[in-house]
Amino acid sequence: EAQVTQNPRYLITVTGKKLTVTCSQNMNHEYMSWYRQDPGLGLRQIYYSMNVEVTDKGDVPEGYKVSRKEKRNFPLILESPSPNQTSLYFCASSGLAGGPGDEQFFGPGTRLTVL
Amino acid sequence: AQTVTQSQPEMSVQEAETVTLSCTYDTSESDYYLFWYKQPPSRQMILVIRQEAYKQQNATENRFSVNFQKAAKSFSLKISDSQLGDAAMYFCAYRANTGRRALTFGSGTRLQVQP
Repeated sequence: EAQVTQNPRYLITVTGKKLTVTCSQNMNHEYMSWYRQDPGLGLRQIYYSMNVEVTDKGDVPEGYKVSRKEKRNFPLILESPSPNQTSLYFCASSGLAGGPGDEQFFGPGTRLTVL
Repeated sequence: AQTVTQSQPEMSVQEAETVTLSCTYDTSESDYYLFWYKQPPSRQMILVIRQEAYKQQNATENRFSVNFQKAAKSFSLKISDSQLGDAAMYFCAYRANTGRRALTFGSGTRLQVQP
């Protein structure tokens, strides 16, 4: 089954404690992206990657890091989480053929609470 | 920068009736796509329908159809024969076919379906 998986699905942590949210896709997609969803703001892009070792900032990158060492994985790293990073996080992936088939498939979401 | 505006925070419809959700967007690009995503209480992001900007014909997927007015930069979603399972948050989204391929989302419309 084609899917994007995220772990953990729920996480409660404290300010300053480094954490990683993993994302993996099994569709051989070149493009992967992280979004955060906050009430009244929709989803906003944090970081994206066009391929292995190619990453770049989205709209709200402050306080986050990413890496793309393998095509299937795109972890999101919060080195020193703060309460304003409490949010719902989505990983997404897609192809890059340039047509309508480049639908972004979303993972199930990770609910992060930083105390 | 691209923006997407959903001016209806909440809508309500009777089961079996028709409802239209509004969306406007702003862009200077000519090659782009527009999407409607559904987010049920499970928080999963589900693609409902997409529209290629170069196509004049409005997209249709079963009970879901769009009214795409390119000159007015308007992209509304019509749900016919509403069902209880249609109750969800609906997001309008835009994506250019070049650059970082980020989805730009509106703030969402919560749809309630009354039995």
